Amino acid sequence: NAGVTQTPKFQVLKTGQSMTLQCAQDMNHEYMSWYRQDPGMGLRLIHYSVGAGITDQGEVPNGYNVSRSTTEDFPLRLLSAAPSQTSVYFCASSSWGTGGDEQFFGPGTRLTVL
Amino acid sequence: KNEVEQSPQNLTAQEGEFITINCSYSVGISALHWLQQHPGGGIVSLFMLSSGKKKHGRLIATINIQEKHSSLHITASHPRDSAVYFCAVRAGNEKLTFGTGTRLTIIP
Repeated sequence: NAGVTQTPKFQVLKTGQSMTLQCAQDMNHEYMSWYRQDPGMGLRLIHYSVGAGITDQGEVPNGYNVSRSTTEDFPLRLLSAAPSQTSVYFCASSSWGTGGDEQFFGPGTRLTVL
Repeated sequence: KNEVEQSPQNLTAQEGEFITINCSYSVGISALHWLQQHPGGGIVSLFMLSSGKKKHGRLIATINIQEKHSSLHITASHPRDSAVYFCAVRAGNEKLTFGTGTRLTIIP
């Protein structure tokens, strides 16, 4: 199993540009989530999904959109990037809701917005 | 006040020392997680607890539900244990809330 994969690993954007961070998992997990990690602030939840077709907002959803058309994929879209979105982004999945809850994280995407 | 508080924020110890990292939370929870992040690296799940105590190798995690407190202990610490350790709680509402992390440095 590849686990949780994220692309790209690094990205530099200009203010106002849009992009999609990709996340995929091959463990058939229903629960997937996106976090951003900023220095001194731990991980903050952006959006999460408890299954295909179901998404909900986390702690810091503004400026980000998500969709969940399949169990495997959970892309995160930045519609108009801002310097405040410079961060490291982690996607995670777990079997929460179906009997387990071990968290599996992707390797992260380091995003810089100029 | 954050829902999840970790202490200390930073901890430096000599190799071989017994390490304790604490996590306190303010809401009722269904589970508490401990996770590890090595410098420049990914995030790995260490434990999930809903009661009592779990042990894996030199790592021990305990939780006291009544006191809303959990501890992560490392016995015979080693430089490879140097990492940031996070606790995170699931309050039964689907969301996982993280503490701000404890940066542990073990000096040879």
